Amino acid sequence: NAGVMQNPRHLVRRRGQEARLRCSPMKGHSHVYWYRQLPEEGLKFMVYLQKENIIDESGMPKERFSAEFPKEGPSILRIQQVVRGDSAAYFCASSPPDSPNEKLFFGSGTQLSVL
Amino acid sequence: AQRVTQPEKLLSVFKGAPVELKCNYSYSGSPELFWYVQYSRQRLQLLLRHISRESIKGFTADLNKGETSFHLKKPFAQEEDSAMYYCALLSGGSYIPTFGRGTSLIVHP
Repeated sequence: NAGVMQNPRHLVRRRGQEARLRCSPMKGHSHVYWYRQLPEEGLKFMVYLQKENIIDESGMPKERFSAEFPKEGPSILRIQQVVRGDSAAYFCASSPPDSPNEKLFFGSGTQLSVL
Repeated sequence: AQRVTQPEKLLSVFKGAPVELKCNYSYSGSPELFWYVQYSRQRLQLLLRHISRESIKGFTADLNKGETSFHLKKPFAQEEDSAMYYCALLSGGSYIPTFGRGTSLIVHP
């Protein structure tokens, strides 16, 4: 089991472009969390998804940000029309269906840099 | 609203010294608390949970409901303990852990 896989590791975008961040959860895991880490800050929750469902997106900015976790394929965090303030490390975590909140398994993160 | 406070951004100790990483939380119900650790060039991973009452790598943490704290302690720090440590809170009925901002522990030889 390769663990939670995030790609790309580093993503550079110019202002106004779109950023797509991918997360493949661990095998057998059906819960995915996205967190954002800004410099000097901790991990801030963004969105919690199960297969084909957004369970909680209370931490997601209302505009430009969206997330999905389709039946097949990885979870995608999409940021449209990126701005410099979106520069951060984005972490994905997954957990198994029978104990979704007991232990999170994290990916290595995607560092987004907006020029 | 629930909140996790880690007051120290950086904690620097010498090898063999005791270490305590502070974590305070605000939540009125019965929380579940966790410590996660991120070693250099590795992923964030669970270190321990208060509900398990376990000692991992010599670290322990006791939930103090009166002081709303969950400090992480180790009597004799080792160089390999140098890492970023995050305290996390899970409130009753929630599936979403709230993380503190993290404390960087540096253990000098």
